[in-house]
Amino acid sequence: DTEVTQTPKHLVMGMTNKKSLKCEQHMGHRAMYWYKQKAKKPPELMFVYSYEKLSINESVPSRFSPECPNSSLLNLHLHALQPEDSALYLCASSLDVSRTHKPEQYFGAGTRLSVL
Amino acid sequence: AQKITQTQPGMFVQEKEAVTLDCTYDTSDQSYGLFWYKQPSSGEMIFLIYQGSYDEQNATEGRYSLNFQKARKSANLVISASQLGDSAMYFCAMREGTPLLRSNYKLTFGKGTLLTVNP
Repeated sequence: DTEVTQTPKHLVMGMTNKKSLKCEQHMGHRAMYWYKQKAKKPPELMFVYSYEKLSINESVPSRFSPECPNSSLLNLHLHALQPEDSALYLCASSLDVSRTHKPEQYFGAGTRLSVL
Repeated sequence: AQKITQTQPGMFVQEKEAVTLDCTYDTSDQSYGLFWYKQPSSGEMIFLIYQGSYDEQNATEGRYSLNFQKARKSANLVISASQLGDSAMYFCAMREGTPLLRSNYKLTFGKGTLLTVNP
């Protein structure tokens, strides 16, 4: 079962709101990722967690705050977002960041975020 | 310079025919991996197939095969017997670096090819 579950599927928020995106996987994967995808563009990496520790932050603004409470859960806390942050936010997981066998990342269906 | 190039913004194919989606890549690493993902309009990125740079045989997964030509730095996706459900955006992606380097974590995606399967 290769399933990554993201909630909510859609989110509309104002620029002063605080909201969170949630991602969950039960495949025993130890690497989890957040991507941002604008319309008609490829996904862009935001954060990587490896064994519940933040490994990579791709110079993402501090209004995005990731959290990995345990090996199955990944959150993205949102605060004071701008309209240009409206996008599809994708979560992914893989067995291990350094694994060369079965290195593929499995993605969730994403959260479509609109910032008004 | 782009690391992953997909030169076909859009492709059309008749149902039950085969189609090839092009992907060329640029890297100076000896160890790298190439992936193809499918993204329907619903948004989910679906993993299709993987080819490691040291793999001697072309990868195959059901109706999907990867035509890997290392010297030409190309990794084209071949879909046999196209189905209406194959209509989607297809992304080629590359992972560079060795297992000990941080760059291993990152996937670099091409701009994608929108495939439309006609009945």
